[in-house]
Amino acid sequence: GNSVTQMQGQVTLSEEEFLFINCTYSTTGYPTLFWYVQYPGEGPQLLLKVTTANNKGSSRGFEATYDKGTTSFHLQKASVQESDSAVYYCVLARNNNNAPRFGAGTKLTVKP
Amino acid sequence: DTTVKQNPRYKLARVGKPVNLICSQTMNHDTMYWYQKKPNQAPKLLLFYYDKILNREADTFEKFQSSRPNNSFCSLYIGSAGLEYSAMYLCASSRGTLSNERLFFGHGTKLSVL
Repeated sequence: GNSVTQMQGQVTLSEEEFLFINCTYSTTGYPTLFWYVQYPGEGPQLLLKVTTANNKGSSRGFEATYDKGTTSFHLQKASVQESDSAVYYCVLARNNNNAPRFGAGTKLTVKP
Repeated sequence: DTTVKQNPRYKLARVGKPVNLICSQTMNHDTMYWYQKKPNQAPKLLLFYYDKILNREADTFEKFQSSRPNNSFCSLYIGSAGLEYSAMYLCASSRGTLSNERLFFGHGTKLSVL
């Protein structure tokens, strides 16, 4: 079946530190991969999306590379800010009429 | 307007009683989804409508019903709430029929069953 694994439930950093959030997926073919971010009190919103294997997506300083070889889509940011504190979801979509599937989410806390 | 609205924000229900959650969007999106989110778990897809066609997940098929009387509106119905239904319910919509379209989410409805 289609699944997404985020092993890190929580990540705590200080401002200006480097962020790395792990995401691996399992499916057949070439899915579309997303990162969504959910701020407190709000619904998830799209952070970035990559449709083509081996391409990189970026938004607001965040980057993720679609690695077909390792079936990974890790999220990175060179220097986090307190305002980046949120829950980050890795999401897989099969480019058909099935619904997107979410990872468990990683809660990022950035201390000032 | 790119918002998805969910009502109510918080819902208290009694065990054995029905629950109806409401979602609306004005983006003329073809597809509307309902996800259930429990603490420390991934948002779990319950069902989705493409236009008027309802697709329900096999493992929650009998637990949740839904209706979509028009393009803008979609409800989630629980016939008899149990304690295990306590969760955040997230509604989302997307343009088109393919799952690789961007999802737009509402704020969610937090359901507490007592």
